[in-house]
Amino acid sequence: SYELTQPPSVSVSPGQTASITCSGDKLGDKDACWYQQKPGQSPVLVIYQHNKRPSGIPERFSGSKSGNTATLTISGTQAMDEADYYCQAWDSSTVVFGGGTKLTVL
Amino acid sequence: QVQLQESGPGLVRPSETLSLTCTVSGGSISTYYWSWIRRPPGKGLEWIGYISYSGSTNFNPSLKSRVTISIDTSKNQFSLRLSSVTAADTAVYYCARLIVVAGTYFFPNWGQGTLVTVSS
Repeated sequence: SYELTQPPSVSVSPGQTASITCSGDKLGDKDACWYQQKPGQSPVLVIYQHNKRPSGIPERFSGSKSGNTATLTISGTQAMDEADYYCQAWDSSTVVFGGGTKLTVL
Repeated sequence: QVQLQESGPGLVRPSETLSLTCTVSGGSISTYYWSWIRRPPGKGLEWIGYISYSGSTNFNPSLKSRVTISIDTSKNQFSLRLSSVTAADTAVYYCARLIVVAGTYFFPNWGQGTLVTVSS
């Protein structure tokens, strides 16, 4: 079955840039998206089709792709950005989520 | 703005069938795709399956043998049934709207989630 690999945790200082990666076989041929989930809340879509932001998502969130790795970048990270982040793609008409990355803002 | 709300029992006994319903408001269910996703305690998100407005379905291969998803367009609802549950099925269950466009799949709208515990 298809798998997406994310680092379990990433730490960043307030105001700095956080980068969360997501890798998968032939991910470069697919479109990835990213979700933010805070404790006790539902996931929120922050990036889709690799680099598009839904309405209401701050400009500090951006997405990129290089080879078979997708990256979520948060510029000028704020304390409110501390959350779990999941990448998601599809393969053979099935949806796949990455294992999730806990972003800690120290 | 489409809104989704899950409903159903919060406690299910082992070996029984988990049943949840998602009510969609603010838009017609007769477009797009609709999906169920869960998050077990201490673990990540797991996609369960989706159904289209026309009733076609697709499921996570690891759950396929136990999952049924149905849609009732007259009530603007879709439902999940998961049979032969065990403690491993304890999770927060979410319903979500699935966008499928140009080979891209993503979930722009989610319900608030409902905790289902499997225990005797």
